[in-house]
Amino acid sequence: SQKIEQNSEALNIQEGKTATLTCNYTNYSPAYLQWYRQDPGRGPVFLLLIRENEKEKRKERLKVTFDTTLKQSLFHITASQPADSATYLCAPGVGSGSARQLTFGSGTQLTVLP
Amino acid sequence: EPEVTQTPSHQVTQMGQEVILRCVPISNHLYFYWYRQILGQKVEFLVSFYNNEISEKSEIFDDQFSVERPDGSNFTLKIRSTKLEDSAMYFCASKDSTNTGELFFGEGSRLTVL
Repeated sequence: SQKIEQNSEALNIQEGKTATLTCNYTNYSPAYLQWYRQDPGRGPVFLLLIRENEKEKRKERLKVTFDTTLKQSLFHITASQPADSATYLCAPGVGSGSARQLTFGSGTQLTVLP
Repeated sequence: EPEVTQTPSHQVTQMGQEVILRCVPISNHLYFYWYRQILGQKVEFLVSFYNNEISEKSEIFDDQFSVERPDGSNFTLKIRSTKLEDSAMYFCASKDSTNTGELFFGEGSRLTVL
């Protein structure tokens, strides 16, 4: 069955360092992968999308990579700030059909310590 | 900026009662979704809806659940006879016509079944 694994449930890093979050998937051939941020008690918020033919995508302090051979996406936050503390969800997307639902990983809870 | 709105933000109900959760998706979006998140667990897909019919549904979405788009703006989730295990945060999301489009989530409706 399809499986999405995100590294460690919780990640603590020091302010200013780079946070690296991992998303591994099995029994999937996603055409794209999306990353979302979720704050406690709130709905997920879209951050970035990367397609299968893209190796890397950047947006401000965020960078996502997508390795279809390793079946893995890495999500980096550079120069991390306490305000980046949240749970980050990955969601591999199957390309066929716009109505297809997104399946989310269980998330990695990031805490940036001042 | 357009947003998805959900009501109520919190509902407490007795087991066996019917509950209707309401959502107003973003106006030009075509695809609508309900997800739920039990406290401390992952965001789980329930159902997707397009062109006035269900596109996909998960195993969670059994005969006790139904969805409706009664008037072209609201999108509702009904739980006919609530169970204790239905206690969760329910998120509505909508998406435009782009195949890889991001999901826009509402802030959620917290359902507590006593």
